[in-house]
Amino acid sequence: GENVEQHPSTLSVQEGDSAVIKCTYSDSASNYFPWYKQELGKRPQLIIDIRSNVGEKKDQRIAVTLNKTAKHFSLHITETQPEDSAVYFCADPDTGRRALTFGSGTRLQVQP
Amino acid sequence: KAGVTQTPRYLIKTRGQQVTLSCSPISGHRSVSWYQQTPGQGLQFLFEYFSETQRNKGNFPGRFSGRQFSNSRSEMNVSTLELGDSALYLCASSVGQGAGEQFFGPGTRLTVL
Repeated sequence: GENVEQHPSTLSVQEGDSAVIKCTYSDSASNYFPWYKQELGKRPQLIIDIRSNVGEKKDQRIAVTLNKTAKHFSLHITETQPEDSAVYFCADPDTGRRALTFGSGTRLQVQP
Repeated sequence: KAGVTQTPRYLIKTRGQQVTLSCSPISGHRSVSWYQQTPGQGLQFLFEYFSETQRNKGNFPGRFSGRQFSNSRSEMNVSTLELGDSALYLCASSVGQGAGEQFFGPGTRLTVL
């Protein structure tokens, strides 16, 4: 939970393309992995999350995959639209402190 | 259900002053967490309060403190402000303690001159 690495820091795609953001965590006891979206000037909002007992979860155009062996989880956005442009944060529960540790964020820009 | 609210939304202070920020969680949520957001450091965890007790604390100096009231509303205080304290301060509430889904407030943007 104390170390969450997020890549890439910026991502630019053409409208309609897919976008993938990846996070790596260090605490093998972590069991909850949320993704937040923060639009410019707005508050972060949860868009999807996954628990450690499943490998993938989908919600329309967004999906999250979890690889517990490799300790990474990824956000996948398909058929990107300009309104997907935002900063995306992954988070990992610090099981020791029982608090969320956020990744450094990925600024996604979808070019129309 | 009303969302998380924070007051004030904007604040300008000078170095050495102190400031108090307020957060009202979603009704029924008992946990309030505070985060500092800056362009260079992302979202940094400050502390979490649950049932009026500080349960977790991030790596911030003692100038940063907080409290929670019996109605779950929370305040955070920063004393002896420094230029580097300029940031967006976000609070988030959740139903229970710990790392479940958190609902963020709009934030208080603090500028220290």
